Amino acid sequence: DTEVTQTPKHLVMGMTNKKSLKCEQHMGHRAMYWYKQKAKKPPELMFVYSYEKLSINESVPSRFSPECPNSSLLNLHLHALQPEDSALYLCASSHFGQATKETQYFGPGTRLLVL
Amino acid sequence: AQSVAQPEDQVNVAEGNPLTVKCTYSVSGNPYLFWYVQYPNRGLQFLLKYITGDNLVKGSYGFEAEFNKSQTSFHLKKPSALVSDSALYFCAVRVPATDSWGKLQFGAGTQVVVTP
Repeated sequence: DTEVTQTPKHLVMGMTNKKSLKCEQHMGHRAMYWYKQKAKKPPELMFVYSYEKLSINESVPSRFSPECPNSSLLNLHLHALQPEDSALYLCASSHFGQATKETQYFGPGTRLLVL
Repeated sequence: AQSVAQPEDQVNVAEGNPLTVKCTYSVSGNPYLFWYVQYPNRGLQFLLKYITGDNLVKGSYGFEAEFNKSQTSFHLKKPSALVSDSALYFCAVRVPATDSWGKLQFGAGTQVVVTP
């Protein structure tokens, strides 16, 4: 089973709202990723967690706040977003520390619209 | 710096004909190479990868890719395309020697359109 689930599938929020995106996997992967994807463009890496610790922050604005409460869950907290933050947000997971097994498996994404 | 190029924005092919989606890379070190497919309003689905060994890699849904070190290419192929193969395809590279965190460098993507 290579399933990564994401909720919600769609989200509409105003610029003053606070919302959260959720990602879950049960493959025993110890690396989890958040990506942002604009239409017809490749995904852009935002954050990497390894063993529940933040390993990479790709200079993402502080209005995006990641959280990894346990090895299966990854959250992305959103606050005071801008319309240009509207995009598909993808979560991925992979094994960590075993390079030949580090295939990233992606969830279906959350389509976010900021009004 | 690592880079991945997909020289074609779009590939058009008739159903039943061979499909090729091109990918070239420029890296320092030995690359790990991946192909993903994305259907409309969906996440990326893993198709296949090259890590080491046999240069011809077979993947999901009848796709295969050939690693060519001298030409720094990793083209995706399918002998007989289906209308359902119409999607956006991404090539990606990782160089473990220079990156410990599993970072993927994606190509710009190639839209495949298969006509009946």
